[in-house]
Amino acid sequence: EVQLVESGGGLVKPGGSLRLSCAASGFIFSNAWMSWVRQAPGKGLEWVGRIKRKTDSGTTDYAAPVKGRFTISRDDSKNTLYLQMNSLTTEDTAVYYCTKVGGLAAASYFDYWGQGTLVTVSS
Amino acid sequence: SYELTQPPSVSVSPGQTASITCSGDKLGDKYASWYQQKPGQSPVLVIYQDNKRPSGIPERFSGSNSGNTATLTISGTQAMDEADYYCQAWDSSTGVFGGGTKLTVL
Repeated sequence: EVQLVESGGGLVKPGGSLRLSCAASGFIFSNAWMSWVRQAPGKGLEWVGRIKRKTDSGTTDYAAPVKGRFTISRDDSKNTLYLQMNSLTTEDTAVYYCTKVGGLAAASYFDYWGQGTLVTVSS
Repeated sequence: SYELTQPPSVSVSPGQTASITCSGDKLGDKYASWYQQKPGQSPVLVIYQDNKRPSGIPERFSGSNSGNTATLTISGTQAMDEADYYCQAWDSSTGVFGGGTKLTVL
């Protein structure tokens, strides 16, 4: 059974930093592309970014609102995905979901989702 | 930037067919996926690559994608299908979600 368990959310002041983790199990993590998706309170889903598997270069892509501030990384030895968030603003307040990516590239989709972790940016 | 547009709400009577649209420039040239989200829960994939159903998703869920519009169709809609639905596609290396549609079964 695929499981994705996020952690690391909480309350942070504007301008601050936070690192989210996502512990994965039930599939071969090193073979998977992974992604983060967020959802502001009462709002829709917003793609944050993705990281490819190492055999596909391991490169990352980001949504425009977070590019240059957020960094996605992975530790395949620990089956763990990370999201380092810097220079946080109130606009970053959201539930952050870790997702496994099925398929590849333009044919890909989010086939499994974690339970989400809430990040609140407030003074 | 690329945008996907969904109607904010759709209503359907139990047992009838619900259609939720997702519009974007030349969306038919891309793959669309659909996600169901019930209150307080994480999203669930219901359709991927335009018209494929993941295992465990009922056959009443189907999808199509042509021209500028992708459509999620729920045949024989049940009360348990009441939820928010989101379409998603890729524009180059950027993921894009539609704004979501609240499906009400009444």
